[in-house]
Amino acid sequence: DIQMTQSPSSLSASVGDRVTITCRASQSINNYLNWYQQKPGKAPKLLIYGASSLQSGVPSRFSGSGSETDFTLTISSLQPEDFATYYCQQSYSTPLTFGGGTKVEI
Amino acid sequence: EVQLLESGGGLVQPGGSLRLSCAASGFTFSSYAMTWVRQAPGKGLEWVSAISGSGGSTYYADSVKGRFTTSRDNSKNTLFLQMNSLRAEDTAVYYCAKYQGGSYPADTFDIWGQGTRVSVSS
Repeated sequence: DIQMTQSPSSLSASVGDRVTITCRASQSINNYLNWYQQKPGKAPKLLIYGASSLQSGVPSRFSGSGSETDFTLTISSLQPEDFATYYCQQSYSTPLTFGGGTKVEI
Repeated sequence: EVQLLESGGGLVQPGGSLRLSCAASGFTFSSYAMTWVRQAPGKGLEWVSAISGSGGSTYYADSVKGRFTTSRDNSKNTLFLQMNSLRAEDTAVYYCAKYQGGSYPADTFDIWGQGTRVSVSS
């Protein structure tokens, strides 16, 4: 199974900050890496797919980069509605696996 | 509007069974693979199972293999998860999600339901 490791597990930031979350795969997954946002009590929402493609309707302050084993989600200017937990997921092979999550707090 | 609506969750005793449903609308259901993902209380996301658009192919996480069965009724735009021999560790919110459509069985999940809660306890 491919293990996905996110860091940090949590972070504190302020509105307007630039935030970076990293995700590392235990083996190469090319660019088969997706990012989801989850707010408390809500379903996850797709933000980025294919490592760097922005899902329709997602604000352009979100961006993704990376390939092979190392990936990054960047929020260029944190907004109040961005405080949530973020998960990476590999879509390279089954079993499909998620990172442990990064909670972005005020 | 593309929408997924889960139902069927509840409280069940260890060893019991439960059947979850996911009603889909707003897209051609039979054209897309579907998946179940669960989230234990306070924990992260765990992929459970996947089923192809036709229903002829399924995949399962090792943690549920042999106990859970995923199926679909394309005539009713509905996805199912039959859960047998339930354990305390199956307690979670269960989400159904739609495959984006790029590939199967490994793909991105672009639409998610709101989830249904399953509690396994005596």
